[in-house]
Amino acid sequence: DTAVSQTPKYLVTQMGNDKSIKCEQNLGHDTMYWYKQDSKKFLKIMFSYNNKELIINETVPNRFSPKSPDKAHLNLHINSLELGDSAVYFCASSQGFSYEQYFGPGTRLTVT
Amino acid sequence: DAKTTQPPSMDCAEGRAANLPCNHSTISGNEYVYWYRQIHSQGPQYIIHGLKNNETNEMASLIITEDRKSSTLILPHATLRDTAVYYCIVRGEGKLIFGQGTELSVKP
Repeated sequence: DTAVSQTPKYLVTQMGNDKSIKCEQNLGHDTMYWYKQDSKKFLKIMFSYNNKELIINETVPNRFSPKSPDKAHLNLHINSLELGDSAVYFCASSQGFSYEQYFGPGTRLTVT
Repeated sequence: DAKTTQPPSMDCAEGRAANLPCNHSTISGNEYVYWYRQIHSQGPQYIIHGLKNNETNEMASLIITEDRKSSTLILPHATLRDTAVYYCIVRGEGKLIFGQGTELSVKP
């Protein structure tokens, strides 16, 4: 029943490692997003995909690479993890680009 | 980046109406006002949006002033489960820009 799901929910890893976070939505939406919420609780968009095409790419280090195998999935790969990457990452989706977005439960990434 | 101003925190008694204000004095004529909330450790949840007219749905009411420079989100009968951070967002630049929001504490 979960509309937007993310895996894993928690991810603890060491600096320098490469990791992936997966997102899936079953709402039939064609646009998906990745947001980052840092320790100060600021929530900021990172990427947006529409029909598997990158639409928004904020000023994010190129160690972060989103990949959308189909409209229902948007994965986030992070290479060479750094301490500053520790945050909660949220996936969201909408029908077309819309300000009415549906968010997943988040993935808490801790880099040690 | 946020184009809105909200009080950092508010308290509300359970069962009473919670009125959350938002100033957006630089809003453009075609910009909507959106409200989201984030309950602790969960993803943000869309609540309501409006342009000029007041709006109501099953979750809340949105009152927008005639000059559109401010708005108020009303939770008519707040419950403990409404404790959350509430974000007022004026869409812009093709993306949701979240500010610091208002931390609403509903107390028994």
